[in-house]
Amino acid sequence: EDKVVQSPLSLVVHEGDTVTLNCSYEVTNFRSLLWYKQEKKAPTFLFMLTSSGIEKKSGRLSSILDKKELSSILNITATQTGDSAIYLCAVGGGGADGLTFGKGTHLIIQP
Amino acid sequence: NAGVTQTPKFRVLKTGQSMTLLCAQDMNHEYMYWYRQDPGMGLRLIHYSVGEGTTAKGEVPDGYNVSRLKKQNFLLGLESAAPSQTSVYFCASAGGGGNIQYFGAGTRLSVL
Repeated sequence: EDKVVQSPLSLVVHEGDTVTLNCSYEVTNFRSLLWYKQEKKAPTFLFMLTSSGIEKKSGRLSSILDKKELSSILNITATQTGDSAIYLCAVGGGGADGLTFGKGTHLIIQP
Repeated sequence: NAGVTQTPKFRVLKTGQSMTLLCAQDMNHEYMYWYRQDPGMGLRLIHYSVGEGTTAKGEVPDGYNVSRLKKQNFLLGLESAAPSQTSVYFCASAGGGGNIQYFGAGTRLSVL
């Protein structure tokens, strides 16, 4: 059975702090690892990491894939209250396969 | 850009009632998916479709049926709702390359 585990499940930090969210996976067929941000409604896409693209960066957010350790981290620097959300990690096997999601990390940024 | 649109946004059902959730996408995507999200469980795949006229079971298909009569629409049906189906339902779509899925805003369903 495919499994994606995220840690921590919840995290409270102050504005300006740097946070690191973790994701590990055990899946039969790996093609990509995706990060999503979920505020009140739809998960919105952040990054996709694959064997050919193991690092991604966008503004204050960055992510790295470690294929040897079967894991990924999502870093957020200089956090802002708008970064408060649930961050979801998902793994895809390619093609039309659905994604296997972790339970998410609930991040709260205090002013 | 509408993207993925789900209707309705909220619904309350009594046990045994039936209903259909509608998902529509305007991105000409081949693949469409239905997930449910429960507290502490993450998102779990119910059914998916790789193209018009095709459907397949996901991780938690029992109690649900789906249809994809048109490429842009994917319907999720509950024939006889049960309290265990109380959840938030998300539809998603992906292009031919797969993997990056784009989600709708969700439908919050309560079964009493």
